[in-house]
Amino acid sequence: DAGVTQSPTHLIKTRGQQVTLRCSPKSGHDTVSWYQQALGQGPQFIFQYYEEEERQRGNFPDRFSGHQFPNYSSELNVNALLLGDSALYLCASSLPRGTTDTQYFGPGTRLTVL
Amino acid sequence: SQQGEEDPQALSIQEGENATMNCSYKTSINNLQWYRQNSGRGLVHLILIRSNEREKHSGRLRVTLDTSKKSSSLLITASRAADTASYFCAAGGTSYGKLTFGQGTILTVHP
Repeated sequence: DAGVTQSPTHLIKTRGQQVTLRCSPKSGHDTVSWYQQALGQGPQFIFQYYEEEERQRGNFPDRFSGHQFPNYSSELNVNALLLGDSALYLCASSLPRGTTDTQYFGPGTRLTVL
Repeated sequence: SQQGEEDPQALSIQEGENATMNCSYKTSINNLQWYRQNSGRGLVHLILIRSNEREKHSGRLRVTLDTSKKSSSLLITASRAADTASYFCAAGGTSYGKLTFGQGTILTVHP
């Protein structure tokens, strides 16, 4: 049973560019959340997708957007990249009860903005 | 802002000793979760304790929750060098699945 997978593993971009990160949830999960983790900090909630809709959003600007596909996989898009967007981006999936429960995290995508 | 706050920020112990990490949070929760992270990789779920529970055990882990003090503690007994990692508490709110993480405790276990 595959766990949560993310691609790519590492990414280097320059300021002003756009980036797309991808996530496939654990089998049987339909809810996907995205988190940003800056170096030395705890993860910060970006948003959560359920039934292809953004259900909840953290304190992130509109440059951060997402999408969920019918197969429950998800994308995180970041436009107009800033140096401060450099971080580990984590995807997490959870059981199809739509309630706060154990979240299973992927290995993350390390984004470096130069 | 972070809701969960861990204490201490760093902990260094010898193999075989017990490690205790504390976490405080600010608002109402549905549950409190603990995760481990090795060297900036993905988070591994350790244990979840619901708001109506006071203590929970899993192997060498013991978690307590005091909702009146809005605090939790994670005890790792008989620590091993392989337990060296960052540990995060995460508050599960009362709506949907947002987790609010603390800044973590860096645990170093010396062989």
